[in-house]
Amino acid sequence: GAVVSQHPSWVICKSGTSVKIECRSLDFQATTMFWYRQFPKQSLMLMATSNEGSKATYEQGVEKDKFLINHASLTLSTLTVTSAHPEDSSFYICSAGDRLRPQHFGDGTRLSIL
Amino acid sequence: AQSVTQLGSHVSVSEGALVLLRCNYSSSVPPYLFWYVQYPNQGLQLLLKYTTGATLVKGINGFEAEFKKSETSFHLTKPSAHMSDAAEYFCAVSRYGGSQGNLIFGKGTKLSVKP
Repeated sequence: GAVVSQHPSWVICKSGTSVKIECRSLDFQATTMFWYRQFPKQSLMLMATSNEGSKATYEQGVEKDKFLINHASLTLSTLTVTSAHPEDSSFYICSAGDRLRPQHFGDGTRLSIL
Repeated sequence: AQSVTQLGSHVSVSEGALVLLRCNYSSSVPPYLFWYVQYPNQGLQLLLKYTTGATLVKGINGFEAEFKKSETSFHLTKPSAHMSDAAEYFCAVSRYGGSQGNLIFGKGTKLSVKP
């Protein structure tokens, strides 16, 4: 089956730093990638939809200057949390899909900002 | 607009007992429905999906779900629970229809399995 790799799985950093999270589709070309955020004991909330070669589409309430998304190739999308603060601490999950298959999810990145 | 309601944030069953996780949806277009499972500190794994055709859908690990349009439901079942089934389960509907689009998730149901 399709495999989506997300890296890193866990990151701890100081407030004010920027953190980059990578999402790779390993065995298919993902025309679309999605970035979700999950708070403890809650569901996934879609942050943005990323299409290869174009600007990401952000959901209402998500700061696009805060959460930079780049989808430079059909196998890689990155989410950069800029100038991270403790309230940005969360579990971030990406998913990838194409026109033939439903979304497959990465294993998530737990971000802790001190 | 599409939405998903999962009844019961926590379900506890004994090993070997029937598992029933409830999901009701609202959709303005023919729904594409999904069940995902999430183990601690991991992403989501697709259990099964309904797109069109047969309303009883079989998935991995012995799970199945039945799409009932008249009841706007897509409940997940498994005849006999196993300890390894303990996890968080999410029901989802495709926001714009189709199996590849944005997903709207329910709030999840945590399944506990007692020995």
